[in-house]
Amino acid sequence: QSMLTQTPSASGTPGQRVTISCSGSSSNIGSNTVNWYQQLPGSAPKLLIYSNADRPSGVPDRFSGSKSDTSASLAISGLQSEDEADYFCAAWDDSLNGPVFGGGTKLTVL
Amino acid sequence: QVQLQESGPGLVKPSETLSLTCSVSGYPISSGYYWGWNRRSPVKGLEWIGGFYHGGSTLYNPFFKSRVNISVDTSKNQFSLRLSSVTAADTAVYYCARWSVYGSGSNRFDPWGPGTQVTVSS
Repeated sequence: QSMLTQTPSASGTPGQRVTISCSGSSSNIGSNTVNWYQQLPGSAPKLLIYSNADRPSGVPDRFSGSKSDTSASLAISGLQSEDEADYFCAAWDDSLNGPVFGGGTKLTVL
Repeated sequence: QVQLQESGPGLVKPSETLSLTCSVSGYPISSGYYWGWNRRSPVKGLEWIGGFYHGGSTLYNPFFKSRVNISVDTSKNQFSLRLSSVTAADTAVYYCARWSVYGSGSNRFDPWGPGTQVTVSS
């Protein structure tokens, strides 16, 4: 049912910058804002980025988000071992009249 | 600090009804916000199930059609999920969350409960 598409996996070494992409359509990303959630192993999802590029209090500025047309990206700079997690994008979908999530990207820190 | 905690049976038989409760502390659910349910399974990833607004309106994912019902007990500061006619495809970790819904399609889930595993099996 995922209507947002993410690459299943990504990896990087400590200190590196990695980018995770999310592709949607005109009914979701194309017309609404994007959120990103981080899910550490064994934990609940946590809001990481909202409204395309805003960070909740407490989220390091190593995490940044952007959106262009029907795609969005999450960038993580200065990669750390504790960043190893699943990352999900999400956006409101006008056809569904509710939010849709991406399939998730598993980030491995080598 | 708002905290949420899911509770309910971890095993449900096929064709029966899944019932979960979300207990909220640190914020009266009658004071505002939407409150929602999501789930995550290995096959389908994260899925939005539905949610309700403290004022009484509800939003449900059409995928679940008439199988889903979300209710609220403000006296206990809890809200509940009922999903009927379950199959193995409903096996997942179920999460409740506070849901901010604004105009122009802006919305976010924050915070989330720790989640509860529900397995559908005979």
